[in-house]
Amino acid sequence: AQKVTQAQTEISVVEKEDVTLDCVYETRDTTYYLFWYKQPPSGELVFLIRRNSFDEQNEISGRYSWNFQKSTSSFNFTITASQVVDSAVYFCALSEAGYSTLTFGKGTMLLVSP
Amino acid sequence: NAGVTQTPKFRVLKTGQSMTLLCAQDMNHEYMYWYRQDPGMGLRLIHYSVGEGTTAKGEVPDGYNVSRLKKQNFLLGLESAAPSQTSVYFCASSWNQETQYFGPGTRLLVL
Repeated sequence: AQKVTQAQTEISVVEKEDVTLDCVYETRDTTYYLFWYKQPPSGELVFLIRRNSFDEQNEISGRYSWNFQKSTSSFNFTITASQVVDSAVYFCALSEAGYSTLTFGKGTMLLVSP
Repeated sequence: NAGVTQTPKFRVLKTGQSMTLLCAQDMNHEYMYWYRQDPGMGLRLIHYSVGEGTTAKGEVPDGYNVSRLKKQNFLLGLESAAPSQTSVYFCASSWNQETQYFGPGTRLLVL
């Protein structure tokens, strides 16, 4: 069975600090997909990134970066120079090949104060 | 493109009442999903559909029914609402196993 663990329930930082959100997953499949979604206070779910299990290259998009390590079954998300607008709940999710459904972690609430 | 839309945005029900939540997508996606989100629980899959006329159970299907009569629509029904069904409901759609795109959510309060 697949499982996603986001051990950090809530993180508080001051603007301009860097912050890393942890995601650890469990799966028996060798082919799978990992996702991050953002849920701002307005409530919608915004797709951030999708990664397949064969691509371990780190990804950077502006202030966002993702570190995928199969050896530790982790897919961590780092925000550099955080801003108040980054305040949101962030969800990590896993999908196994051959299955269309997503398993979500319970989310990490990030609070960025000015 | 409106993407994924959900109707209604908010609803209050009394215990035992029934209602239907409508999800519509204009991206020609084959797959559609219904999730519920509760505090501290993340998102849990209720039912999903891999194509018009098909439905399947997710992690928490009890108390809900679904129908996918048209490719662009996915309906979630509560036949006899219970307070435990108070939640925020999200619909999503995707092309096969690609990224799921979510609607804005429906807040349901069952008294």
